[in-house]
Amino acid sequence: AQRVTQPEKLLSVFKGAPVELKCNYSYSGSPELFWYVQYSRQRLQLLLRHISRESIKGFTADLNKGETSFHLKKPFAQEEDSAMYYCALSGVPGNQFYFGTGTSLTVIP
Amino acid sequence: DSGVTQTPKHLITATGQRVTLRCSPRSGDLSVYWYQQSLDQGLQFLIQYYNGEERAKGNILERFSAQQFPDLHSELNLSSLELGDSALYFCASSFRDRGRNEQFFGPGTRLTVL
Repeated sequence: AQRVTQPEKLLSVFKGAPVELKCNYSYSGSPELFWYVQYSRQRLQLLLRHISRESIKGFTADLNKGETSFHLKKPFAQEEDSAMYYCALSGVPGNQFYFGTGTSLTVIP
Repeated sequence: DSGVTQTPKHLITATGQRVTLRCSPRSGDLSVYWYQQSLDQGLQFLIQYYNGEERAKGNILERFSAQQFPDLHSELNLSSLELGDSALYFCASSFRDRGRNEQFFGPGTRLTVL
């Protein structure tokens, strides 16, 4: 069963425009959600997690349990935001880890 | 380099063969995760070890096995290789054993099965 769905494989926005990367999940327990990012020629790294309720590099993500979504948002996209973004879920209990298929974000100057 | 390291970077082999991928976690991390990334499947969680013991299992085939050694490095063994096993294999580590903890990823090993 698909645990994490990222409906957009590719997303292009202009610099300064708002950006939203969609993530929907399905899990019967109490999942924990994350966004990981991979910049060009760099390793996959954690961007943010829902339990921290933090804003990293201007990005925020709110866990919506009713809609089972964890969309990543930024009000004003920057060129350096161009990267591959993965939504991920950690199963509780069970400890399995599920990644979405990723969304490639391109910010057009 | 105190980050996660993986060897080899690239591996080319033939169908039916057996290979071993190696991962050294970040200094101090006790947990190691293995992932397979293929073009059509995205990142698939395979297995996790914590301090030498298997902690969680994902979509790992029976032809694949892994272990974590006393020095905390881990090896992923892939046997009876098939063309479809060609993929990028990532290792990640974290200090604790829960998936909620930040995972630090290695650069990956690209496996090509011919």
